Amino acid sequence: GAGVSQSPSNKVTEKGKDVELRCDPISGHTALYWYRQSLGQGLEFLIYFQGNSAPDKSGLPSDRFSAERTGGSVSTLTIQRTQQEDSAVYLCASSLGVRGGRAGNEQFFGPGTRLTVL
Amino acid sequence: AQKITQTQPGMFVQEKEAVTLDCTYDTSDPSYGLFWYKQPSSGEMIFLIYQGSYDQQNATEGRYSLNFQKARKSANLVISASQLGDSAMYFCAMREANNNDMRFGAGTRLTVKP
Repeated sequence: GAGVSQSPSNKVTEKGKDVELRCDPISGHTALYWYRQSLGQGLEFLIYFQGNSAPDKSGLPSDRFSAERTGGSVSTLTIQRTQQEDSAVYLCASSLGVRGGRAGNEQFFGPGTRLTVL
Repeated sequence: AQKITQTQPGMFVQEKEAVTLDCTYDTSDPSYGLFWYKQPSSGEMIFLIYQGSYDQQNATEGRYSLNFQKARKSANLVISASQLGDSAMYFCAMREANNNDMRFGAGTRLTVKP
């Protein structure tokens, strides 16, 4: 079946512009995560959506970052007034969202969007 | 505070040998899950193995096994019979039952030599 998809795969933008990154999770997965991975680093948690519950935004680095998830499916991560330090790969992942065990916790990752801010 | 520590930035192993990648974690939550992911140069994140904090047995998935030492809070990944295709970054991660996020370590770059 189809995995997690993300678009665009690459995005180059100028400092100060806004960007939107899209994530299409696996059908039936209620949990959706956004992560940021800077060059040569591990993954940094940004935001988590679970069903219709209020998202956990605790990882967003500043108020320039926001995300929404429409209809419990597709999610969009928006970065306003981009800065050079925003350059990274942005990864989206989805999971069944059931607490406990591998099945509920295993996250399936998309291929990522490589954002470059000039 | 750093919750996942991977102390080996890079590791080398000879093809067909076994290798252990270290991971220690910090949590006060009695219920948590530990994960290992592989990230080849293509950038995709590939799930390898999962260990629940209440699991009695060490997890195994083919050539991957997790050496879970709960009292020491360590969850080392053992790869047996290394293959050239195992060369990649390896990330240890933890999700606590009371938190929504998944915390990742800084990763270990494994290089398998022919």
